[in-house]
Amino acid sequence: DIVMTQSPDSLAVSLGERATINCKSSQSVLYNSNNKNFLAWYQQKPGQPPKLLIYWASTRESGVPDRFSGSGSGTDFTLTISSLQAEDVAVYYCQQYYSISYTFGQGTKLEIK
Amino acid sequence: EVQLVESGGGLVQPGGSLRLSCAASGFPFSSSNMNWVRQAPGKGLEWVSYISSSSSSIYYADSVKGRFTISRDNAKNSLYLQMNSLRDEDTAVYYCAREAGSGSYSSYWGQGTLVTVSS
Repeated sequence: DIVMTQSPDSLAVSLGERATINCKSSQSVLYNSNNKNFLAWYQQKPGQPPKLLIYWASTRESGVPDRFSGSGSGTDFTLTISSLQAEDVAVYYCQQYYSISYTFGQGTKLEIK
Repeated sequence: EVQLVESGGGLVQPGGSLRLSCAASGFPFSSSNMNWVRQAPGKGLEWVSYISSSSSSIYYADSVKGRFTISRDNAKNSLYLQMNSLRDEDTAVYYCAREAGSGSYSSYWGQGTLVTVSS
């Protein structure tokens, strides 16, 4: 199985500041035939199911604010929130869907400083 | 509006069985691949099982292989997870999730149903 490792485990950022969450896969999730990275990001608020934010490593889901962006390729990926809002407090997960089983990172808890 | 509503969770003793259901609406269920994902209390997300739209492809996490069975009834727009030989470590909220048509990421999730395995 592909192991997904996120860093940091928790993060406190001031309102309006940038938040950066990293995700590293134990093997490449880049599919060479279509040059797509099989990597998604989800946001989970307390008591709620996960919500899809980003897929193909950098494509924002419809309705997701443009302060959320994804980048990276191969084995190293980043989720960036350009200007943190109070409603962004949540746990964020990366997931690879390159190969079954579809493994998740351990999660990064984002709080307000 | 896309809706996924899980049911069937509850308290069960170790070694017992439970069948979860997920009722789908608001999208073409019969052409959608589906997954079950679980989350133990205070822990992260764990993929459990996958079933293709026609049930021709089925996969399980090693942690549940041989004990859980995923199935679907496209006529009833329903997804199921039969869980046997339950263990303490199966205690979790179980989510059903719909895969996007363009890739195997989960674009919609249900609210989840809690399974508690305890004596």
